[in-house]
Amino acid sequence: EAEVAQSPRYKITEKSQAVAFWCDPISGHATLYWYRQILGQGPELLVQFQDESVVDDSQLPKDRFSAERLKGVDSTLKIQPAELGDSAMYLCASSPDRGSIYEQYFGPGTRLTVT
Amino acid sequence: TQLLEQSPQFLSIQEGENLTVYCNSSSVFSSLQWYRQEPGEGPVLLVTVVTGGEVKKLKRLTFQFGDARKDSSLHITAAQPGDTGLYLCAGATNTNAGKSTFGDGTTLTVKP
Repeated sequence: EAEVAQSPRYKITEKSQAVAFWCDPISGHATLYWYRQILGQGPELLVQFQDESVVDDSQLPKDRFSAERLKGVDSTLKIQPAELGDSAMYLCASSPDRGSIYEQYFGPGTRLTVT
Repeated sequence: TQLLEQSPQFLSIQEGENLTVYCNSSSVFSSLQWYRQEPGEGPVLLVTVVTGGEVKKLKRLTFQFGDARKDSSLHITAAQPGDTGLYLCAGATNTNAGKSTFGDGTTLTVKP
């Protein structure tokens, strides 16, 4: 069964350092999402791609966060510089194009701890 | 802004009991998904409901979409410890180009 891959699974970094997360969606899924999830809350959308284009990045803190999906396949999310408040689970999800049905398939996530 | 409210926030029950959790909004959704998330893992899709009044069953889980497509419920019969987890609902509208809004979930603990 196809799965969304993410790496690393865990990352500990000091504040002011740069950190990057990688995601490989399910083959053929045109839509890719990056979410941030704080313990006890639901996922919050950071950025949504349709192929290589950004569809929604309204909640992405653009002064420190960037995301790219250059060839419309895998994607990288970067934080520079990291802050203590960035500690969270970062989730990647992909979705097939099924009209008005927006089912998302999530990867295992990257747990980020900023010290 | 669409807001999805889930209740209860926490639920702790004994194995074998039945339970229902709720997902409510003032927005009309084109589709609504339920996910289950275990600690340290990503959410796993359980079901999608699309039609108002729709009922779907997945073994001991029964999902219902409200007639007006603004709310949904998840009923679990004879809960088992393996049902423990965070249950999330997510809704999307056609006007948002595939953006889903997630609730904050219901944390279910089933004690043996």
